[in-house]
Amino acid sequence: AQSVSQHNHHVILSEAASLELGCNYSYGGTVNLFWYVQYPGQHLQLLLKYFSGDPLVKGIKGFEAEFIKSKFSFNLRKPSVQWSDTAEYFCAVTRMDSSYKLIFGSGTRLLVRP
Amino acid sequence: GAGVSQSPRYKVAKRGQDVALRCDPISGHVSLFWYQQALGQGPEFLTYFQNEAQLDKSGLPSDRFFAERPEGSVSTLKIQRTQQEDSAVYLCASSTNRDTEAFFGQGTRLTVV
Repeated sequence: AQSVSQHNHHVILSEAASLELGCNYSYGGTVNLFWYVQYPGQHLQLLLKYFSGDPLVKGIKGFEAEFIKSKFSFNLRKPSVQWSDTAEYFCAVTRMDSSYKLIFGSGTRLLVRP
Repeated sequence: GAGVSQSPRYKVAKRGQDVALRCDPISGHVSLFWYQQALGQGPEFLTYFQNEAQLDKSGLPSDRFFAERPEGSVSTLKIQRTQQEDSAVYLCASSTNRDTEAFFGQGTRLTVV
């Protein structure tokens, strides 16, 4: 069965540290890729997405992600985190034959210490 | 409203009780989705509507789960004879069509005791 793996369940960083959250998926066909963020007490929000084209995708709030097809990966990065980035981050994919159906990873909780 | 609205925000049900969870999508959004998020897990797809038509219900875990969207707007997820394993956050999302960005509500946290 297709799955999405997020290897880091909890990450703790100090402000200004660099961030990289891993995401790997198991489906071999064409996929669309997403990162969602859930700030404390808020709803899930789209951070960035990749459908095609440049594999380096820039999203909101200084986040970016790189799609590496050969590694089935879509890692999320930010050069310098802020306290306000404390949140839970979810990687998700959709398959081309069911493009409406988001398949989520289990999430990574990020705590940024001031 | 400006976003997807779900009610109630919290629901405690005794085992065996029936519950109904409501979702008000963003006005004009044709597509509507339900997801279930167990503690410590990512959301899992339950079902998908295009207007009033339920086009995919492959994620519903059992025949105790039923969803409807009779007029193509508000949707209700009903769970009959609730069991402890039904305890989760139930998320609703809507989008302008099936392939565009899905906007999520804050969810209903269901606790079955």
